[in-house]
Amino acid sequence: DTGVSQNPRHKITKRGQNVTFRCDPISEHNRLYWYRQTLGQGPEFLTYFQNEAQLEKSRLLSDRFSAERPKGSFSTLEIQRTEQGDSAMYLCASSFASAAGELFFGEGSRLTVL
Amino acid sequence: GQQLNQSPQSMFIQEGEDVSMNCTSSSIFNTWLWYKQDPGEGPVLLIALYKAGELTSNGRLTAQFGITRKDSFLNISASIPSDVGIYFCAGRWGDDKIIFGKGTRLHILP
Repeated sequence: DTGVSQNPRHKITKRGQNVTFRCDPISEHNRLYWYRQTLGQGPEFLTYFQNEAQLEKSRLLSDRFSAERPKGSFSTLEIQRTEQGDSAMYLCASSFASAAGELFFGEGSRLTVL
Repeated sequence: GQQLNQSPQSMFIQEGEDVSMNCTSSSIFNTWLWYKQDPGEGPVLLIALYKAGELTSNGRLTAQFGITRKDSFLNISASIPSDVGIYFCAGRWGDDKIIFGKGTRLHILP
């Protein structure tokens, strides 16, 4: 399968714990995006990378959130000191820079903070 | 900031009926896109529109990029059960910021 892969698919954690999600994009794609989706809402932009450079971060992304894409391949999204409001589906997507907007999404990582 | 207003929020139709949904904004976008999301999965791209006035089809789906660049619509003809799901419009502006609407939930009555 050469699609976008995310893991873990589900994560249940206690408030205050740190969690990390991993995304493996389609290998030829140089753009990688992170979105958050809550029930009944559309995907909400968090951040995106072109190769290893993080080009944009949403103002909604608090200091507790950090994302990396160290070698321009896979990416990690870490949430420190989780809060119940962080419970959501975290979606990763990749694309070619030349076809921006044509996003290929993974199946998401669902976070539940107790 | 940019916002996309998608309507209707949900639709209940009979199999075989045509469906129409739209997306509007007060902001101008460079690209309009339509995605479909099934339960437990990520959104899947259906149609991408790059020029104002562009009308594009993908099988039973037809979408248009509004002349003002502030709106788009998606039509589905002769709906079938597998059309059930959530349809999202998305707009691209600036370098490559992409935002999504809140979705139209399509239900097909037996």
